Amino acid sequence: DIQMTQSPSSLSASVGDRVTITCRASQSISSYLNWYQQKPGKAPKLLIYAASSLQSGVPSRFSGSGSGTDFTLTITSLQPEDFATYYCQQSYSAPYSFGQGTKLEIK
Amino acid sequence: QVTLKESGPALVKPTQTLTLTCTLSGFSVTTSGMRVSWIRQPPGKALEWLARIDWDNDKFYSTSLKTRLTISKDTSKNQVVLTMTNMDPVDTATYYCARMSSFGSGSIWFDPWGQGTLVTVSS
Repeated sequence: DIQMTQSPSSLSASVGDRVTITCRASQSISSYLNWYQQKPGKAPKLLIYAASSLQSGVPSRFSGSGSGTDFTLTITSLQPEDFATYYCQQSYSAPYSFGQGTKLEIK
Repeated sequence: QVTLKESGPALVKPTQTLTLTCTLSGFSVTTSGMRVSWIRQPPGKALEWLARIDWDNDKFYSTSLKTRLTISKDTSKNQVVLTMTNMDPVDTATYYCARMSSFGSGSIWFDPWGQGTLVTVSS
């Protein structure tokens, strides 16, 4: 099974900051990597698919990059509504796996 | 509009079998290319993928849970059903179903998700 490791596990930032979250796969997964945002009590929401494609309706301040084993999610100019938990997920092969999550908190 | 909605018991006892239903709207469980997965999330913890079923009845399971899981579809009701045997308190979680959308390159992802249903395992 493919293991996904996110870092950091938590992050404090201010409105307007630029933040980067990283995700590493235990083996190469090409570009089969997705990013989700989850707010308390809500289902996860797709942000980025195929490593760098922005889901329709998601603000352009979100971007993804990477291939192989190392990936990043970048949020430029943080907005109040961006404070949430973020998960990466590999879709290279079943069983699909998620990272442990990165909680983005207000500084 | 594509939506999914989970339903099932809120409380089950240890050793019992859990049956959850995902009702699909806006797409058919028999449409070519249709894939639906179940994912769970224990309180305060990360997401865990459980199982997937495809339009052609291909099925895939979590390695660690495959002996306890069965995924199936009811075409007459446009539903996907997940059963999990021998429930334990550690299985307490919110259970989500999600459509697996795909792109020409072969990439697939979970979108949209249902609202989730919280299942507590306790005697």
